[in-house]
Amino acid sequence: GENVEQHPSTLSVQEGDSAVIKCTYSDSASNYFPWYKQELGKGPQLIIDIRSNVGEKKDQRIAVTLNKTAKHFSLHITETQPEDSAVYFCAASPYNNNDMRFGAGTRLTVKP
Amino acid sequence: DTGVSQNPRHKITKRGQNVTFRCDPISEHNRLYWYRQTLGQGPEFLTYFQNEAQLEKSRLLSDRFSAERPKGSFSTLEIQRTEQGDSAMYLCASSSPDRGRDTQYFGPGTRLTVL
Repeated sequence: GENVEQHPSTLSVQEGDSAVIKCTYSDSASNYFPWYKQELGKGPQLIIDIRSNVGEKKDQRIAVTLNKTAKHFSLHITETQPEDSAVYFCAASPYNNNDMRFGAGTRLTVKP
Repeated sequence: DTGVSQNPRHKITKRGQNVTFRCDPISEHNRLYWYRQTLGQGPEFLTYFQNEAQLEKSRLLSDRFSAERPKGSFSTLEIQRTEQGDSAMYLCASSSPDRGRDTQYFGPGTRLTVL
């Protein structure tokens, strides 16, 4: 089955700096890669996703890149703000999306 | 869409008791998923439904766990004879692949504590 590894487990940046979180996956059948943000006491909220036919996707301050050959994908947050502080999870899923596997999460802290 | 809702938000029970959680998906979402999340970990897939049919179950779903979605709308997850190791956040998500994007939207979760 799929195995998703996520690094780093914790990340602390100064407000305004960029943050990068990286994930690797093992199953070449995976073709859908979402990123979720989870705040304390809440369920994960989708912030951006990418499919295998695209190498990069951007939404305002958030971007995701995918390298299918190397089986890794990354989340980039630019101009970080204190409200970006949360736990971020990457995930990978096969086409039918019935067995999504999550990374262990990255706790991002943005210092004002 | 009002979002995915889950009840109760918190449940404290004694070891050996049975508990049941409810999930109401986003209306018209035909897929519903259950996950378990322990502290410091990502959600782990338990099972999923397409309409009322339970199509896949993880090995994590022991015989003490049962999930239903009788009318293809809300779902319940029951844990029988709870154990301390069952303490976790139980998350529900729903999606609608018919709309072209099979994005899973999560509810707030039910936090279970087994004493």
